[in-house]
Amino acid sequence: QKEVEQNSGPLSVPEGAIASLNCTYSDRVSQSFFWYRQYSGKSPELIMSIYSNGDKEDGRFTAQLNKASQYVSLLIRDSQPSDSATYLCAVSTYYNQGGKLIFGQGTELSVKP
Amino acid sequence: DTAVSQTPKYLVTQMGNDKSIKCEQNLGHDTMYWYKQDSKKFLKIMFSYNNKELIINETVPNRFSPKSPDKAHLNLHINSLELGDSAVYFCASSQGLAKGYNEQFFGPGTRLTVL
Repeated sequence: QKEVEQNSGPLSVPEGAIASLNCTYSDRVSQSFFWYRQYSGKSPELIMSIYSNGDKEDGRFTAQLNKASQYVSLLIRDSQPSDSATYLCAVSTYYNQGGKLIFGQGTELSVKP
Repeated sequence: DTAVSQTPKYLVTQMGNDKSIKCEQNLGHDTMYWYKQDSKKFLKIMFSYNNKELIINETVPNRFSPKSPDKAHLNLHINSLELGDSAVYFCASSQGLAKGYNEQFFGPGTRLTVL
């Protein structure tokens, strides 16, 4: 079982729709959860971090965390063509393990005009 | 103004050569990282340094040697390059492990091609 799993996609949504990206992780003691956006040929860009159960909203983005189900998701409301990118879920366990991020394989999102 | 910078952006070299990649951050962060992204876009930790001290070495061949002259710089030297080393190498930094939250910010990447 992979440590962090995402559907690789591509996920295609029409402009203005809600895009839903999902991620599961295997290590129950994981503490910190992140969503990165990576455009083709560019570096990962941090868009959301979440540390406790529930929802966290930032603009059009909402991250949801359910530690009991070991599940984290990202919702993008009013999707725009500029949101087309690969979205990487990353998980970090104890900070004293060097703070390493374990990444999923990424979900490619395509927003069609 | 660049927060995390890397040089060079592209590196094309022959098998067997030795090369270095440099990374600098001006965020005042204590912790720096090297990640490797392979051709399938999978991103994996290689090394982590906290205040110039190595704290993660993720089963990377010893041909790879990181060096941190100060907490704002983390370099990566690669000896005897192999075809399989071709990848994009990303440097990242975070505020520090004691802070607990570990948001990491990535540099622009160095695309290494070994011929």
